[in-house]
Amino acid sequence: DAGITQSPRHKVTETGTPVTLRCHQTENHRYMYWYRQDPGHGLRLIHYSYGVKDTDKGEVSDGYSVSRSKTEDFLLTLESATSSQTSVYFCAIRTGLAAPLDTQYFGPGTRLTVL
Amino acid sequence: GIQVEQSPPDLILQEGANSTLRCNFSDSVNNLQWFHQNPWGQLINLFYIPSGTKQNGRLSATTVATERYSLLYISSSQTTDSGVYFCAGVSNFGNEKLTFGTGTRLTIIP
Repeated sequence: DAGITQSPRHKVTETGTPVTLRCHQTENHRYMYWYRQDPGHGLRLIHYSYGVKDTDKGEVSDGYSVSRSKTEDFLLTLESATSSQTSVYFCAIRTGLAAPLDTQYFGPGTRLTVL
Repeated sequence: GIQVEQSPPDLILQEGANSTLRCNFSDSVNNLQWFHQNPWGQLINLFYIPSGTKQNGRLSATTVATERYSLLYISSSQTTDSGVYFCAGVSNFGNEKLTFGTGTRLTIIP
């Protein structure tokens, strides 16, 4: 499992409230990713990080921000949660930049419900 | 960005049967990977296979990069093989971001 944990694992919140999801890794990987998974869409990239304080947007970044102040932690924040952000959120790490190490491993996921 | 199509979208098989899942890409890709999401939601990396063939137990995968497709073979299916199988790739033309297909849902019946 590449030592990836996510917290919380489940959260129910109300529209308009801020929400922060945490991804923690224990193996010092440089690249970390946040995806959301919705029925019929597979996994879609929200944001990713290629180092401390280095982040970039994915394909569905609107309404989300991220921060990475330490190698081991990558935070995803919904500034003002909306019902369309109800989803399962997965964090992933990338083990290397060259074959055969360039693979992604996923955390257990966080199920977020916005009422 | 690249488009990733997986087929079939759903597959129901009897335990012991063999299956072939397909992944087509709209453009050249590298870093092609297969994942299994079990019924509890956990995503497991099965193969990193940008080209050629790899085998791991009852599972094997083949990627023909020049023709932009990859196949995942599951032999002698077991109920624990149930779940959703995703393929994903990175465009050869930059951005280093994995694009996922929408998956094949496999159900193995005892």
